[in-house]
Amino acid sequence: EAGVAQSPRYKIIEKRQSVAFWCNPISGHATLYWYQQILGQGPKLLIQFQNNGVVDDSQLPKDRFSAERLKGVDSTLKIQPAKLEDSAVYLCASSLEAAPGEAFFGQGTRLTVV
Amino acid sequence: AQSVTQLDSQVPVFEEAPVELRCNYSSSVSVYLFWYVQYPNQGLQLLLKYLSGSTLVKGINGFEAEFNKSQTSFHLRKPSVHISDTAEYFCAVTLNTGFQKLVFGTGTRLLVSP
Repeated sequence: EAGVAQSPRYKIIEKRQSVAFWCNPISGHATLYWYQQILGQGPKLLIQFQNNGVVDDSQLPKDRFSAERLKGVDSTLKIQPAKLEDSAVYLCASSLEAAPGEAFFGQGTRLTVV
Repeated sequence: AQSVTQLDSQVPVFEEAPVELRCNYSSSVSVYLFWYVQYPNQGLQLLLKYLSGSTLVKGINGFEAEFNKSQTSFHLRKPSVHISDTAEYFCAVTLNTGFQKLVFGTGTRLLVSP
């Protein structure tokens, strides 16, 4: 069974530039999560999708971050414009609708904003 | 809203000694609880889960955790640790009603030395 795929693995951008991350969840997983993990901290939920609907996006900085999950499969997270404090690892995860919380994580995208 | 607290940011222990990593949760309704592990330079993976039933749950690599509703705790234990258990451990919680967000704690770094 293929795992959660994320790309790119690494990205370095200058502040005020834009960046996009892509995630392909495990086939059949209705729930998709995007987390931000700053070095030395726990994962912070940015947005959680159930199919193509949003379950929670209360901690998504909506003035600069956006996310979409078209057709309820893969998802894109965008930052525009980026700030220095956005430097982090962005984790995508997915889970079955029948197994809430049992998330499978991708390898993450390490973003460095300079 | 649900939350988890991991009081210990770092736990040093000698190889073959027992260890307990503490997790307390906060919620006004019933919850599902999880422990995830993140080995160096790897993604997060599920270690064990509590959904219902027996309060003592066993996971991979000899870890176990006990759900204590009266103390709102879900501590992780292992009777004898190995060097290879050195990793970051995260407690996570979600509510068991409908589609709810998965929230992580700040993590505990387990450092096993010879």
